[in-house]
Amino acid sequence: AQTVTQSQPEMSVQEAETVTLSCTYDTSESDYYLFWYKQPPSRQMILVIRQEAYKQQNATENRFSVNFQKAAKSFSLKISDSQLGDAAMYFCAYRSHTSGTYKYIFGTGTRLKVLA
Amino acid sequence: NAGVTQTPKFQVLKTGQSMTLQCAQDMNHEYMSWYRQDPGMGLRLIHYSVGAGITDQGEVPNGYNVSRSTTEDFPLRLLSAAPSQTSVYFCASSRGAKDTQYFGPGTRLTVL
Repeated sequence: AQTVTQSQPEMSVQEAETVTLSCTYDTSESDYYLFWYKQPPSRQMILVIRQEAYKQQNATENRFSVNFQKAAKSFSLKISDSQLGDAAMYFCAYRSHTSGTYKYIFGTGTRLKVLA
Repeated sequence: NAGVTQTPKFQVLKTGQSMTLQCAQDMNHEYMSWYRQDPGMGLRLIHYSVGAGITDQGEVPNGYNVSRSTTEDFPLRLLSAAPSQTSVYFCASSRGAKDTQYFGPGTRLTVL
């Protein structure tokens, strides 16, 4: 069975600085998707970024980028130029690419605090 | 587009009561899922559906029933609520298996 581990329950970053959130996963599959979701205090789950395992290039979305290390099964999220609005819970998630499978596995989350 | 909507936003039940959490989407998405979120445990998949008439179990299906009679709606039924089902419940949908999953605003359920 696949597992997703976020070992940092809480992180803090100064406004305008850069922070990296860690995520590791365990799987025997070779093709899958990885995601980072943001959950602000409003409770709404918002997709931040996604990565297909077959793509070697790391995904980027404006100030958000990932460091995808397939061999190490690591998928970290880097937030550059942190803003107060980035304060939220961040969840790493895995989904198999196997045909007929639609099960997402979520990590336990990292709470990010942004200090003014 | 309203996206994914969930009702109610909050609910308090007594042990043994039954209720249905409603989920609807107006994006013509084939895939829909129900998750529960508990403190320190992230989101866990309860049930999911890959189209009208097709459902399957997720990681924590016990105590919950689902059906999918239309593309738009995917209700979650608690037949006999237990305190262990106190949680925040999220519904999500996507166009296809490879597409972005959109979440509803969640329902906070308390079982006394």
